[in-house]
Amino acid sequence: TQLLEQSPQFLSIQEGENLTVYCNSSSVFSSLQWYRQEPGEGPVLLVTVVTGGEVKKLKRLTFQFGDARKDSSLHITAAQTGDTGLYLCAGDDSWGKLQFGAGTQVVVTP
Amino acid sequence: GAVVSQHPSRVICKSGTSVKIECRSLDFQATTMFWYRQFPKKSLMLMATSNEGSKATYEQGVEKDKFLINHASLTLSTLTVTSAHPEDSSFYICSAGPARGGETQYFGPGTRLLVL
Repeated sequence: TQLLEQSPQFLSIQEGENLTVYCNSSSVFSSLQWYRQEPGEGPVLLVTVVTGGEVKKLKRLTFQFGDARKDSSLHITAAQTGDTGLYLCAGDDSWGKLQFGAGTQVVVTP
Repeated sequence: GAVVSQHPSRVICKSGTSVKIECRSLDFQATTMFWYRQFPKKSLMLMATSNEGSKATYEQGVEKDKFLINHASLTLSTLTVTSAHPEDSSFYICSAGPARGGETQYFGPGTRLLVL
């Protein structure tokens, strides 16, 4: 089983601050996805990274995929209260099965 | 974008009864659907892979006779929790996609099951 470790587990910041969430594994993934989940809802896909060293930006969110395709990070600039949620990374084992990290609960306060 | 629905969104049942949860891909055909279970404040745990027209593949530790999966068409998979017990109470989420490496999976909104 390929394990994905996310850190930190919990993050509480004020509006306007920056934050970074990390996702690390000892295994290589064909792709890695980041999701945000609200309570009582399914996860919503934010981005998929495929190429080692890839950087993708989605408004204030910046996603990086490590050169070796084993780790990834999510950076949020100038966080807003709407960014509150559970952030999950998931690695694709190339057979379509996703292995999820434990998640990072982000709370952005006004 | 692709939409996946689940029904019901919430269900409460008595211990010993069976509950069926439906997962539908509304605007695309899904050769593969996945079923996950999520405990409060925890991540998603893959339970099984459901392939249209064939038997589901269960992850280690998941009882196939307890969690019956049927994928009769390219737009519908069902998960039946048989003889439910309180420990089966959880949030069940499905995802659908063509399931080739690197392809996007689309997640349903989840079903909250409470067994009394």
